[in-house]
Amino acid sequence: GQQVMQIPQYQHVQEGEDFTTYCNSSTTLSNIQWYKQRPGGHPVFLIQLVKSGEVKKQKRLTFQFGEAKKNSSLHITATQTTDVGTYFCAGSHSGGSNYKLTFGKGTLLTVNP
Amino acid sequence: NAGVTQTPKFQVLKTGQSMTLQCAQDMNHEYMSWYRQDPGMGLRLIHYSVGAGITDQGEVPNGYNVSRSTTEDFPLRLLSAAPSQTSVYFCASSSLGGRAVTGELFFGEGSRLTVL
Repeated sequence: GQQVMQIPQYQHVQEGEDFTTYCNSSTTLSNIQWYKQRPGGHPVFLIQLVKSGEVKKQKRLTFQFGEAKKNSSLHITATQTTDVGTYFCAGSHSGGSNYKLTFGKGTLLTVNP
Repeated sequence: NAGVTQTPKFQVLKTGQSMTLQCAQDMNHEYMSWYRQDPGMGLRLIHYSVGAGITDQGEVPNGYNVSRSTTEDFPLRLLSAAPSQTSVYFCASSSLGGRAVTGELFFGEGSRLTVL
């Protein structure tokens, strides 16, 4: 089936260091979304990217969608302890009607104060 | 604002028992879906619906049934629970644009199910 691969699986950083997680798909995505899940919580929407090469920023978070619409990244500058959680990407594959949003396995970020 | 409401939050079943996880949303979303989350596996789509009377299978549909009689409700049924169905279940809803999920998914708080 269609998959979205996400790396790394885990990332531990010191507070103030940067963090990046990557998503890759073997097929073209019509859009990609990013979610954050705090420990014990539910996923919460962060952003959606639709256009090829799109870059969006939310304070210390920078999201990119690749030119070929097959990959995406989330970069956090100067991490804080409040950034702790699992970050998921989720994509809809192009071609025909597609209501299946496929999630990556997530990157668990821990931050040492 | 209630958003997406799931019940129960916790449930313990014995193998072979049946149960229904309830999900309701008050945002008039056409799209509703069920995911299961297991350690290291991310979120996997079980079933989804794009409107009342319309349901379809996701990645891992076996052992689960759904129905969508109203826009608001999307219950998930386990007819004969198995230990492999021990998981955290999330219901999520979204708006639709054309033939794709274009809006953000709003998740419920989750239902933790243990099958002994």
